[in-house]
Amino acid sequence: DIQMTQSPSSLSASVGDRVIITCRTSQNIDNFLNWYQQKSGKAPKLLIYAASSLQSGVPSRFSGSGSGTHFTLTISSLQPEDFAVYYCQQSSSIPSITFGQGTRLEIK
Amino acid sequence: QVQLQESGPGLVKPSETLSVTCTVSGYSISSGYFWGWIRQPPGKGLEWIGSIYHGGTTYYNPSLKSRVTMSVDTSKNQFSLMLRSVTAADTAVYYCARLNCTGGSCYPDYWGQGTLVPVSS
Repeated sequence: DIQMTQSPSSLSASVGDRVIITCRTSQNIDNFLNWYQQKSGKAPKLLIYAASSLQSGVPSRFSGSGSGTHFTLTISSLQPEDFAVYYCQQSSSIPSITFGQGTRLEIK
Repeated sequence: QVQLQESGPGLVKPSETLSVTCTVSGYSISSGYFWGWIRQPPGKGLEWIGSIYHGGTTYYNPSLKSRVTMSVDTSKNQFSLMLRSVTAADTAVYYCARLNCTGGSCYPDYWGQGTLVPVSS
């Protein structure tokens, strides 16, 4: 099984900050890595698919990069509505999927 | 616009079977895509339970495989989850989702709002 490690597990930041969340996998998954945002009491929302493709309707301050085993989600300028939990997700054996453990982004 | 809506029992007793159904609107299940179930225990992360294709082919998380059955009813545009012999550890919000599987990648692109299923006597 492919292991996924997100870091940090939690993060405090201020409005306007640039934030980077990292996801590492134990094996090469090419660019098959996706990112989600989950707000309290809500279903996760797809932000980025295929490592760097922005889902329709998602603000351009969100971006993804990486390939192989190292991936990042960057929020270029934090907005108040961005404080949430972020998950990475991979699918090494379609259609089974695996999520990272999550990164909680809090207001400083 | 694709929409998914879970309907669940509200409360399940230990050792009984949990059953949740997902009704899809805005898209015909029989047209394609995988459809899946994902759960989230209170305060914890996301766990994939399984996926089903419109023809009925299923794929289950190995850790739950012995207790899970998924099915699809294309006439009602619904798919369902049964989880047998539940314990308190199965208490979670259960989400249904459409899985977009293309080019070697698979990701949930549409989600239901989730239904909380407590397991308690």
